[in-house]
Amino acid sequence: DAKTTQPNSMESNEEEPVHLPCNHSTISGTDYIHWYRQLPSQGPEYVIHGLTSNVNNRMASLAIAEDRKSSTLILHRATLRDAAVYYCILRVGGSEKLVFGKGTKLTVNP
Amino acid sequence: SAVISQKPSRDICQRGTSLTIQCQVDSQVTMMFWYRQQPGQSLTLIATANQGSEATYESGFVIDKFPISRPNLTFSTLTVSNMSPEDSSIYLCSVDRTGSDYGYTFGSGTRLTVV
Repeated sequence: DAKTTQPNSMESNEEEPVHLPCNHSTISGTDYIHWYRQLPSQGPEYVIHGLTSNVNNRMASLAIAEDRKSSTLILHRATLRDAAVYYCILRVGGSEKLVFGKGTKLTVNP
Repeated sequence: SAVISQKPSRDICQRGTSLTIQCQVDSQVTMMFWYRQQPGQSLTLIATANQGSEATYESGFVIDKFPISRPNLTFSTLTVSNMSPEDSSIYLCSVDRTGSDYGYTFGSGTRLTVV
């Protein structure tokens, strides 16, 4: 299964931008980059996904490196509700399954 | 995105017994996925369930321990059989709505404690 590497934890201050990095050096051309987050005592929640181009939605932005070996999830203005574990996942092309890594625990300070 | 109802939300069970977890989706989906999340850990995929065929299990998970049913396109069950305390985990189901821009949807999970 395709592997991703994320920092174990990060801290941010409320109302500041947050950049969550992810390395996926073994990515292949058809692998999608997915981001999910899991708030305490809840199931994971979809955040964003992309293939090659940068993506924006109401929750976040996804910046994908030109060689696709890394990506960054950007929360433009962190709130206390954004405190969660963020998972960067490669969905292998042709496969329907998501294989989770360890994720990054984001702490947002007031 | 799809709405998933998962039952029960939590249970405490005696070792050696079995528990069946239900996952109901509000729309038809091709694939349903079952995950386990052990305390303080990430999610581990148990199996993929297609309607009308046997589930596909990931390495380390077997049908005798985690039998899965998928009788139609909106429903699936996962049974945790002959439970031991090591089975204490959160079990989650997930679906992917083909063609959706909302990724995969997860149920809120079943918190299982085996005593």
